[in-house]
Amino acid sequence: EVQLVESGGDLVQPGGSLRLSCAASGFTFSSNWMNWVRQAPGKGLEWVAHISRDGNNKYYVDSVKGRFSISRDNAKNSLYLHMNSLRADDTAVYYCAKDTNGGGRGLEYWGQGTLVTVSS
Amino acid sequence: EIVLTQSPATLSLSPGERATLSCRASQSVDRYIAWYQQKPGQAPRLLICDASNRATGIPARFSGSGSGTDFTLTISSLEPEDFAVYYCQHRYNWPTLFGPGTRVDIK
Repeated sequence: EVQLVESGGDLVQPGGSLRLSCAASGFTFSSNWMNWVRQAPGKGLEWVAHISRDGNNKYYVDSVKGRFSISRDNAKNSLYLHMNSLRADDTAVYYCAKDTNGGGRGLEYWGQGTLVTVSS
Repeated sequence: EIVLTQSPATLSLSPGERATLSCRASQSVDRYIAWYQQKPGQAPRLLICDASNRATGIPARFSGSGSGTDFTLTISSLEPEDFAVYYCQHRYNWPTLFGPGTRVDIK
């Protein structure tokens, strides 16, 4: 059974930093594209970042470029999102999501999400 | 970037009725559209990929169609568990973006 478990969400002050983690199991992690998607309270879904199987290709939504960094450790079956210079509008539930096998067709599996709150 | 619009914003229907949801792209995305369902307090669930291919375990009452810029998600006969928010997403290039969603609620 595929499982994605996010952790690391917290209350952080504006300008602060946070690292989110996603522990993956039930599939060959190193063979799959991975993504972070967020959802602000009461709002729609926003794709945040993507990383290729080997970690060499990374893509970001414009609003987080230069502040967020996606990474992975295939030996630990783990995905990360490093968030710096956090702003109030980064407040959201952050989901880890696995691409379909082969990649690029859809986000097939999702974690339960971890809440990041940016507030003073 | 390619922007997606969804219509209507809200669809009020009764169980057993047919639901037709629209997703329009600001430029052609070929058939690289996925559809998701999200219920309150839950993570989204992939319904359709490549515009018309049902994901694993998705009931046959869900179908997708379209290509280029215009796409449709159809629920042939609404079940009580289908009342939710539905999002489309393009996977044509980066950044991949979601539409704003269509809420299907009980009339």
